[in-house]
Amino acid sequence: NAGVMQNPRHLVRRRGQEARLRCSPMKGHSHVYWYRQLPEEGLKFMVYLQKENIIDESGMPKERFSAEFPKEGPSILRIQQVVRGDSAAYFCASSSEGGSYEQYFGPGTRLTVT
Amino acid sequence: GNSVTQMEGPVTLSEEAFLTINCTYTATGYPSLFWYVQYPGEGLQLLLKATKADDKGSNKGFEATYRKETTSFHLEKGSVQVSDSAVYFCALSDRAAGNKLTFGGGTRVLVKP
Repeated sequence: NAGVMQNPRHLVRRRGQEARLRCSPMKGHSHVYWYRQLPEEGLKFMVYLQKENIIDESGMPKERFSAEFPKEGPSILRIQQVVRGDSAAYFCASSSEGGSYEQYFGPGTRLTVT
Repeated sequence: GNSVTQMEGPVTLSEEAFLTINCTYTATGYPSLFWYVQYPGEGLQLLLKATKADDKGSNKGFEATYRKETTSFHLEKGSVQVSDSAVYFCALSDRAAGNKLTFGGGTRVLVKP
């Protein structure tokens, strides 16, 4: 009974490159959330998706960031033209329903922009 | 908007000491409250939760009570172990805000033998 899977665990990109972060939710979960954790800070909500739909993207930067959760396959968080300020840990969480149901977190992807 | 404030760390304790981490919140609706724990290099694990006023969440010797009158959800443990060394996050989820989690800044706890 695998938990939330994220890959890669560590990603190094040069400024201007693209970063793609993948998240496979727990089996049976159809809700995915992405959060960002900057160094020495708490987690900040970025986006909430259900299969093929973006429900809430109020925490996403307006430019360079996008997310999808296709009918088949993992959820993808895409960062175009990365800058040093994008260096952070990106966590994905999934839940079986919205509301107060628990969100289960993956191990995170640590992005370093050089 | 919603916000969570928790005491800053680091908190350094000796084994078997009593631990309290304060957490207060501001929410427009009726939130559910959570404590998550993050061990070094890992993701967050749900430690406990409470979904309505006066509920007490408990797990692994940790407890927290949802206090609506003081908008608080303080975490306590009576006797900590070295293995409790981690970062603890208080969080809320509010259906009116779309169910996303709003986190406090985290409190690092270090338990020394």
